[in-house]
Amino acid sequence: QKEVEQDPGPLSVPEGAIVSLNCTYSNSAFQYFMWYRQYSRKGPELLMYTYSSGNKEDGRFTAQVDKSSKYISLFIRDSQPSDSATYLCAAQTGNQFYFGTGTSLTVIP
Amino acid sequence: DADVTQTPRNRITKTGKRIMLECSQTKGHDRMYWYRQDPGLGLRLIYYSFDVKDINKGEISDGYSVSRQAQAKFSLSLESAIPNQTALYFCATSFGTEAFFGQGTRLTVV
Repeated sequence: QKEVEQDPGPLSVPEGAIVSLNCTYSNSAFQYFMWYRQYSRKGPELLMYTYSSGNKEDGRFTAQVDKSSKYISLFIRDSQPSDSATYLCAAQTGNQFYFGTGTSLTVIP
Repeated sequence: DADVTQTPRNRITKTGKRIMLECSQTKGHDRMYWYRQDPGLGLRLIYYSFDVKDINKGEISDGYSVSRQAQAKFSLSLESAIPNQTALYFCATSFGTEAFFGQGTRLTVV
């Protein structure tokens, strides 16, 4: 079992839709939880991170962590074609990062 | 210029050949990583280094070796390439909770 599990999709939504991306994890020691965005032929880039449980909002993006259920979520409001990418969830403990397999998202104009 | 630079960007090599992938960074970070990315498997850690004298095996180190030549340079070698090492390889550095990735090297072993 992978430390971080993620539904690979693909996910296709119309422009303006609300997108929900989800991951689960197994290690209770994880303290930091991140979402990376990866465009085609590029390396992943950090989108946002949260510490422990709770929500964090950045513009149209909201990251949510529920440590009691070991659930990580990313919500995208008013999705745009430029949001089309692969989204990877990740967790960190110590100096190690553990990544989900990524969810491919396409936002159709 | 990119903060994390990988060379080459693309490489096709034959089975049994030795190949080296290079990574250099201008972030000034001590921590560096090599990952491979495969469809359906995501990013898997090959090796990581927390300073020049520190090298650690990751999840899938068999068939690979690394060298940390300086704080800024971390190279990955395939001593005898095999077809199932065909993948997208990423070098990364980290500071705190953020990892910074290079553009990737697409390696094909035929």
